[in-house]
This record gives sequence, C-alpha cells and structure tokens, in this order.
Amino acid sequence: EAGVVQSPRYKIIEKKQPVAFWCNPISGHNTLYWYRQNLGQGPELLIRYENEEAVDDSQLPKDRFSAERLKGVDSTLKIQPAELGDSAVYLCASSFSNSPLHFGNGTRLTVT
Amino acid sequence: AQSVTQLGSHVSVSEGALVLLRCNYSSSVPPYLFWYVQYPNQGLQLLLKYTTGATLVKGINGFEAEFKKSETSFHLTKPSAHMSDAAEYFCAVSDKGNKLVFGAGTILRVKS
Repeated sequence: EAGVVQSPRYKIIEKKQPVAFWCNPISGHNTLYWYRQNLGQGPELLIRYENEEAVDDSQLPKDRFSAERLKGVDSTLKIQPAELGDSAVYLCASSFSNSPLHFGNGTRLTVT
Repeated sequence: AQSVTQLGSHVSVSEGALVLLRCNYSSSVPPYLFWYVQYPNQGLQLLLKYTTGATLVKGINGFEAEFKKSETSFHLTKPSAHMSDAAEYFCAVSDKGNKLVFGAGTILRVKS
C-alpha cells in the first residue's frame, strides 16, 4: 500500500510570509494527525482529525496556524504569518481506528 | 497527563554489542507503549508496540521491549547491534493508541 505522502519535502521562506503543507493519508485511514518536530525533540501533536472533524486541536497555535481536511481525506496545514520559531519538521500521520500511526516523511520548514 | 522520559539523548555501542535504550513513562491510565525509529530525513517507523497481554514484545529488525508496570518502564533492547541500526529512536505513550506523546528521542550510534 502507498504510505502517507507529504509535500513539499523542504520549504524555505522569510518570516511573515505564509506557507502551506499538504498531506495525503493512507487510503481508508479515517484519523489524520499533524505533528511538529523541533530540532532535537520528539514530535508534538498539533491537531488530530477523525474524518473531517478536528477532535483535538488544543496544541494548535490558532492565531497563526490553521488546518483543514476537506472530505475527510487530504489535509492542509497553513501558517500565516510564519515566525522564526516555526522552523521545524511538520509530520503528517494517519491511522485506522486504534491502529498504530503511519507517518509521512515530513516537510522541513526553514524560516529566515 | 501522560509523559515519556528517555534517558540518554545519545547512545553509542560497538557493532555486535547489546543495544539498550531506556524509556520511562507516566500515565494515569493503563498505557499503550510504542517504540518508533527515525532515519535521517524520513518519517517515523513503528518498531513495536505494547497494548495488553504479554509484557515482552518483539518487533521488527530483532528489537524487543519489556513492559514493567512496577518500574513504569519500557526499555528497548537488541542482542547484537548492526550498523544499519544507527538512527534516532522514540518512545511514545498513549491512552488508547490514537494520541501519542513522544519522548525527546535517543540517537543510537553504532561503531565498527
């Protein structure tokens, strides 16, 4: 089966610019996650979707971050405007019910 | 709230030697426990998981981990290290398996 696909793999932007990341989960996986991984740290959950509903967005900085999962499949994570501290790897993962998470290769964001 | 502590941000072993990566967790409910591996510029790959039942769990690539409730530990071991094991390893805890809290990670170096 195809894995979780993320794009782009790398993104370099200047601070105050907007940026968007895209994720295509494994077919049939109803749960989708966005994690942020800062350098030297483990991933931290930003938002979790059950189908098209965001069921846990408590860690999402809502002043500048937004996410959507239209039709309960693909998802987009947006940052506007980006800050220097947003430099990190953004990981998307998906799962079916309570099965283990499958991760994509991530998008490495550098904000200059 | 759940949390994970991984003792040792870097571990170095010789090829053929025992690998031991330490993980302690905190959870107010019976935990689900996971080990993930991350190779450079890639996403996280599941090594093994504990949910219920047998406390010694075997995973891929010859790794295994033992759940010890009395010690709140879930250490990862492999009898004989291989060069290809060099990577970063993350321990994670969950209440029902669909919201993971990760440790900070341990980078394993294997010397020839």
